[in-house]
Amino acid sequence: GAGVSQSPRYKVAKRGQDVALRCDPISGHVSLFWYQQALGQGPEFLTYFQNEAQLDKSGLPSDRFFAERPEGSVSTLKIQRTQQEDSAVYLCASRSQGQNTEAFFGQGTRLTVV
Amino acid sequence: RKEVEQDPGPFNVPEGATVAFNCTYSNSASQSFFWYRQDCRKEPKLLMSVYSSGNEDGRFTAQLNRASQYISLLIRDSKLSDSATYLCVVLFGDKIIFGKGTRLHILP
Repeated sequence: GAGVSQSPRYKVAKRGQDVALRCDPISGHVSLFWYQQALGQGPEFLTYFQNEAQLDKSGLPSDRFFAERPEGSVSTLKIQRTQQEDSAVYLCASRSQGQNTEAFFGQGTRLTVV
Repeated sequence: RKEVEQDPGPFNVPEGATVAFNCTYSNSASQSFFWYRQDCRKEPKLLMSVYSSGNEDGRFTAQLNRASQYISLLIRDSKLSDSATYLCVVLFGDKIIFGKGTRLHILP
């Protein structure tokens, strides 16, 4: 497919469980972003990569959150010991280089922690 | 102060009316600006980029005021299908920051 693909679309996790969310960006896109979106809120920045380098992880809410993009393509966002406050939609976006290029989003993973 | 701020609304506007949203940003070195639209339970999608000279796309007009660090979106002759959340997006370097979004409801 030509777009950003995220999996799974929905994930229900028991509190304390570890989860891994996957993002397949558009082929050739250098930049990849992760956002957390709570109900009724705008997307909150978590982290971003340029190729395999994680250039900014200032938005990760705690050390339970970890992201990687080892080969500069697919990225995984891992949440350890999930808590109820982690329930949200996790959006991935990718973008090619250039000042006015748009970011394309995946459909998101809706995580519910019970 | 938040990096990007928007009035969350909701704006309840009758069909056919004109509605305007503003957004302010804190970093004067910001380079690029966009408006995205997000429908309920969907991902954000680009509505339009915002250029220094201002730009128009059909019923939509976007403007940038660098001196005052705000951008605006004007929707003329609003349609029921314009009901959505409008997200202000600012690019700092290679980092994309979103506002919380402004909810718009077009009333029949």
